[in-house]
Amino acid sequence: DGGITQSPKYLFRKEGQNVTLSCEQNLNHDAMYWYRQDPGQGLRLIYYSQIVNDFQKGDIAEGYSVSREKKESFPLTVTSAQKNPTAFYLCASSRQDRGYEKLFFGSGTQLSVL
Amino acid sequence: AQKVTQAQTEISVVEKEDVTLDCVYETRDTTYYLFWYKQPPSGELVFLIRRNSFDEQNEISGRYSWNFQKSTSSFNFTITASQVVDSAVYFCALSEDRGGSNYKLTFGKGTLLTVNP
Repeated sequence: DGGITQSPKYLFRKEGQNVTLSCEQNLNHDAMYWYRQDPGQGLRLIYYSQIVNDFQKGDIAEGYSVSREKKESFPLTVTSAQKNPTAFYLCASSRQDRGYEKLFFGSGTQLSVL
Repeated sequence: AQKVTQAQTEISVVEKEDVTLDCVYETRDTTYYLFWYKQPPSGELVFLIRRNSFDEQNEISGRYSWNFQKSTSSFNFTITASQVVDSAVYFCALSEDRGGSNYKLTFGKGTLLTVNP
């Protein structure tokens, strides 16, 4: 089955630690995205990538970093500079980075601070 | 600036009731797209529908229907004869399209629908 796989489902971060969230897709999509979801809030865009080896900051990129070395993979690192990392993180992809494209989402990673 | 408002934070209904989820948007663009996504307890958002700004025709898909009215900047979603499996958070989203990759996608805060047996 084609889709997006996020891992782990739950992640705990100690203070000062960097953690990496995995996102893999086998939909052959060019564009990939990372969103952050806080309780009772909409989704906010962290980073996005239109193509391999290229990515752009979204609305709330501070304290996060990404890479796009392969079309299928778009890992997100939550660095120690992100002071409020507790949230639900969703990875998504689309055929192209266009306004009319629908997004396909993974099942998310819940990140909590110890 | 574009904005999506889902005024209903939570709705609770009894199974078989009809329920309408409201979505009001703001945009200065003439070309835009509206979306509805469903987020069940499993967490992943699932695409339900997309409408472009030039197509105001209402749509029905099984028990789901959507009412797009540009005059009131609304894109409301109705579930007929609700079922327990409809329990989820529903997000409305707006994409202003200026061509190519020059667009911005904005999500509403979502409406939590609980359908009780």
